[in-house]
Amino acid sequence: AQSVTQLGSHVSVSEGALVLLRCNYSSSVPPYLFWYVQYPNQGLQLLLKYTSAATLVKGINGFEAEFKKSETSFHLTKPSAHMSDAAEYFCAVRVTGANSKLTFGKGITLSVRP
Amino acid sequence: DVKVTQSSRYLVKRTGEKVFLECVQDMDHENMFWYRQDPGLGLRLIYFSYDVKMKEKGDIPEGYSVSREKKERFSLILESASTNQTSMYLCATAGPNTGELFFGEGSRLTVL
Repeated sequence: AQSVTQLGSHVSVSEGALVLLRCNYSSSVPPYLFWYVQYPNQGLQLLLKYTSAATLVKGINGFEAEFKKSETSFHLTKPSAHMSDAAEYFCAVRVTGANSKLTFGKGITLSVRP
Repeated sequence: DVKVTQSSRYLVKRTGEKVFLECVQDMDHENMFWYRQDPGLGLRLIYFSYDVKMKEKGDIPEGYSVSREKKERFSLILESASTNQTSMYLCATAGPNTGELFFGEGSRLTVL
């Protein structure tokens, strides 16, 4: 069965600093991978997705992620953090052919210091 | 844009009450899901449905049931609410190709 691991529960960065949120997946077949963001008191919103095309995926709000099969990783980055990036971030994996069922990581809370 | 609407944003219920959480989508998607979100546990799948009147258990179905009488509507039912069901409940629908999920705004349930 597929799974994702998001190490740590909280990351704090200064405004303007690099954001790096880690995600490692486990899957016996090529996966689809997703990053979602959740702002306070809202549902989840898709940031970006990897669906076996380009390994470097660009998303909304300046975020991007790189699929590395050798490392089974799909880390999320943003060159320069903004205060509005403070939110909870979830990595998710879907095994192809699994009828859209996604498995989510436990989430990471990103804080941005002025 | 896909719109997923959850009928109640905040609910407070008493132990033993029957609770209905309603979810409606406007994109004619076949796949619909109910997740539960708790701090430190992420999202856990309760039930999902691939078609009208069809349902399958997710990872944590105990204490819950679902109903899908129409394609656009997927309801989560707590037959007898308990305090450990206090949580955020998220409904989602899935696009047909990549399985990207579209979420509602969530229903925060407190059981006293």
